Amino acid sequence: AAGVIQSPRHLIKEKRETATLKCYPIPRHDTVYWYQQGPGQDPQFLISFYEKMQSDKGSIPDRFSAQQFSDYHSELNMSSLELGDSALYFCASSYGQPPYGYTFGSGTRLTVV
Amino acid sequence: AQTVTQSQPEMSVQEAETVTLSCTYDTSESDYYLFWYKQPPSRQMILVIRQEAYKQQNATENRFSVNFQKAAKSFSLKISDSQLGDAAMYFCAYRTSQRSGNTPLVFGKGTRLSVIA
Repeated sequence: AAGVIQSPRHLIKEKRETATLKCYPIPRHDTVYWYQQGPGQDPQFLISFYEKMQSDKGSIPDRFSAQQFSDYHSELNMSSLELGDSALYFCASSYGQPPYGYTFGSGTRLTVV
Repeated sequence: AQTVTQSQPEMSVQEAETVTLSCTYDTSESDYYLFWYKQPPSRQMILVIRQEAYKQQNATENRFSVNFQKAAKSFSLKISDSQLGDAAMYFCAYRTSQRSGNTPLVFGKGTRLSVIA
């Protein structure tokens, strides 16, 4: 079965650079979520999109932006990177109103040096 | 806002024994979903078990079962016949069902489970 695909798997950037993370949800899933998980931390919700419109907004810094495209894939754009942005970034997708939770991607590990 | 609390940062269990991970949550809603996720060293988030709040029967998935106490807002995970592959970080998570469309998960801080051979 198709899963949630995230790219790249690993990314190393320098401070003040820009990074773009991509997420390809499971086909026919209509909602995409982005989470940030720092070292030893629980995942923190950043932002979600339902049918290509922003749905919920969590603790996403102003330096970050995201969007969902017509093919339902989503991109998280991160500018003016800081050391503290180093984390694992998860994308998850879901469909309709499942009581079954979400399907997570394998994550993108971002390291800012 | 809903909060999820896992009071055990670390737990250990002998192989083949049973262990229970605790989770409590705070909400004013009557309908919601609760989940346990497993995160092994690979960092992949894997759904272990889910519970709908309107269901009184506790969910069970093979060796994994929950004790859902709605009035006490408690949602513990029991792992029976523990295996080495169960070693991981376990996150308890909450999701509201009050709104149409999909809503994000709220996670607890996690419990790191070690399995001793």
